[in-house]
Amino acid sequence: ETGVTQTPRHLVMGMTNKKSLKCEQHLGHNAMYWYKQSAKKPLELMFVYSLEERVENNSVPSRFSPECPNSSHLFLHLHTLQPEDSALYLCASSQHSAGLGTDTQYFGPGTRLTVL
Amino acid sequence: AQSVTQLGSHVSVSEGALVLLRCNYSSSVPPYLFWYVQYPNQGLQLLLKYTTGATLVKGINGFEAEFKKSETSFHLTKPSAHMSDAAEYFCAVSGGGGTSYGKLTFGQGTILTVHP
Repeated sequence: ETGVTQTPRHLVMGMTNKKSLKCEQHLGHNAMYWYKQSAKKPLELMFVYSLEERVENNSVPSRFSPECPNSSHLFLHLHTLQPEDSALYLCASSQHSAGLGTDTQYFGPGTRLTVL
Repeated sequence: AQSVTQLGSHVSVSEGALVLLRCNYSSSVPPYLFWYVQYPNQGLQLLLKYTTGATLVKGINGFEAEFKKSETSFHLTKPSAHMSDAAEYFCAVSGGGGTSYGKLTFGQGTILTVHP
């Protein structure tokens, strides 16, 4: 595997379910990101992890819970979601962990989530 | 605070015609600017970025963009469109040194359609 991978690619869940999204980067990067991409809205940054520590949380509801066990893996745990949470969830990674705005972020293919 | 405005949510061109996708930004610090492309069912891929130095930036697949500080613009161009250029294009701004971990603010995206 190369680049950034995400599993599953598609997920359908009920509002009472608990599920997790997984992201893995094979680039040796230090920072990882979760984004939400909804129809007709700009990409929304949800969480940022740098060297396995959460450094940003953009007022995301607590029904989304991130986890970064090491610099290569990032999870997004989901519980009691709402239909409006249906979206494409994108994971990204970048090289540096020191606030360099020049970093290129490398994106995974995303998980298409549908909440019934 | 930063923001990005992409003028035109849909742009349609004929194969071989000039592609022009418009992006204007607002930033309180010298910006770093990015263009990403998203093909159907895929994540975002970097086309090009401006950090410092030459204001005309060349990217992959024949695309280029020019940073114009006086106009706060970073328009994306390609002299001759190809069918394979059909995708959604995102302009993004990062706030430069001191920005938290390469935080990107994205525009709403422009869908490019290429007609034969």
